[in-house]
Amino acid sequence: EPEVTQTPSHQVTQMGQEVILRCVPISNHLYFYWYRQILGQKVEFLVSFYNNEISEKSEIFDDQFSVERPDGSNFTLKIRSTKLEDSAMYFCASSGIDGGNQPQHFGDGTRLSIL
Amino acid sequence: GEDVEQSLFLSVREGDSSVINCTYTDSSSTYLYWYKQEPGAGLQLLTYIFSNMDMKQDQRLTVLLNKKDKHLSLRIADTQTGDSAIYFCAESSGRNTPLVFGKGTRLSVIA
Repeated sequence: EPEVTQTPSHQVTQMGQEVILRCVPISNHLYFYWYRQILGQKVEFLVSFYNNEISEKSEIFDDQFSVERPDGSNFTLKIRSTKLEDSAMYFCASSGIDGGNQPQHFGDGTRLSIL
Repeated sequence: GEDVEQSLFLSVREGDSSVINCTYTDSSSTYLYWYKQEPGAGLQLLTYIFSNMDMKQDQRLTVLLNKKDKHLSLRIADTQTGDSAIYFCAESSGRNTPLVFGKGTRLSVIA
């Protein structure tokens, strides 16, 4: 069964550094998402992306965050200047649009640790 | 804003049925989902239900939806030790729209 893959599985970064989290969505999916889960808290929506632009974003997704689909397969989340509170598990998801509901399928996540 | 609530822990004996409950506040919720997270892994889609349905069954899984009370449940029949995981309830207001998650219910299955 096709799956969403995320790299790296664990990223350790110094505060203030830029970090890029990578995702390869399921190949025929057209909607892409990033979520995050701070330890002990709920999974929270960050941003959704369709047709090469952001379709929705949450309050969390401020100017420090950006997303990009640099080629036909990758979908990236960049955090420009990381803060301690950015430490979390980041999940990428994708969904299709072939009629009916297309549920979101998630990757295994990237654990981001900010020192 | 929308909110999804779940109890945090559930412990059952192997072979018994597990029932995980969820309540949500958004009356425009269109789709409701159950995801499973095993240790160190991502969110695995288990099943979902459209808001015009009351029940959906898929092998050992039964989803019940009470739209009036905004209550969703997941029943796992003949629970096995491999079912031990965190189960997340989530809702969305339409197709390809952001999911709102509950905090997850940690299911422990005792052999």
